[in-house]
Amino acid sequence: DAGITQSPRHKVTETGTPVTLRCHQTENHRYMYWYRQDPGHGLRLIHYSYGVKDTDKGEVSDGYSVSRSKTEDFLLTLESATSSQTSVYFCAISWDGGTGELFFGEGSRLTVL
Amino acid sequence: KNQVEQSPQSLIILEGKNCTLQCNYTVSPFSNLRWYKQDTGRGPVSLTIMTFSENTKSNGRYTATLDADTKQSSLHITASQLSDSASYICVVGPASNDYKLSFGAGTTVTVRA
Repeated sequence: DAGITQSPRHKVTETGTPVTLRCHQTENHRYMYWYRQDPGHGLRLIHYSYGVKDTDKGEVSDGYSVSRSKTEDFLLTLESATSSQTSVYFCAISWDGGTGELFFGEGSRLTVL
Repeated sequence: KNQVEQSPQSLIILEGKNCTLQCNYTVSPFSNLRWYKQDTGRGPVSLTIMTFSENTKSNGRYTATLDADTKQSSLHITASQLSDSASYICVVGPASNDYKLSFGAGTTVTVRA
């Protein structure tokens, strides 16, 4: 299995509180991604990173921010959580942003009450 | 509108039987098409990756086919096992921006003894 660790794996929080999800990799892959997965939808890209301090928005980036200060860590922050952000969040890594294989973490289940 | 449509949404098969999952896509041009397996509560795991010039690729009892002319792909599972119970996700990588993969909503396969 690819060395990807997501934390926390489960979190329940209240509307309006800030939340940070962490993705840690030991593979030294250049590219890191945050996706959300909701019933009836395919995985949707929130933000991605193509290097330290290099990030860009995905298709559902509103309400989310990211940071990558080290190759191994990619943080996803919800500044003020809303109930619509209740979801399962997956981190993924790849060595090649083009045709490279994508390796996923085990997911972080977030519930916003 | 989702550019990757999968069918059926779910299916139930008996252990030892074969089944075929379908994926239709509108992403154009595209560089690659992938199939992932996602066990309940886990992250997706890659089964196959095909470039636009490949017609078929196998991984054990899993065989993926691709018809770029009709924009269709299929995943065939041979001699199903209980461990094949999972969601199978079709993913298309656009040629213009390979970071932003398009994910299907998945087909849930249940294998019964």
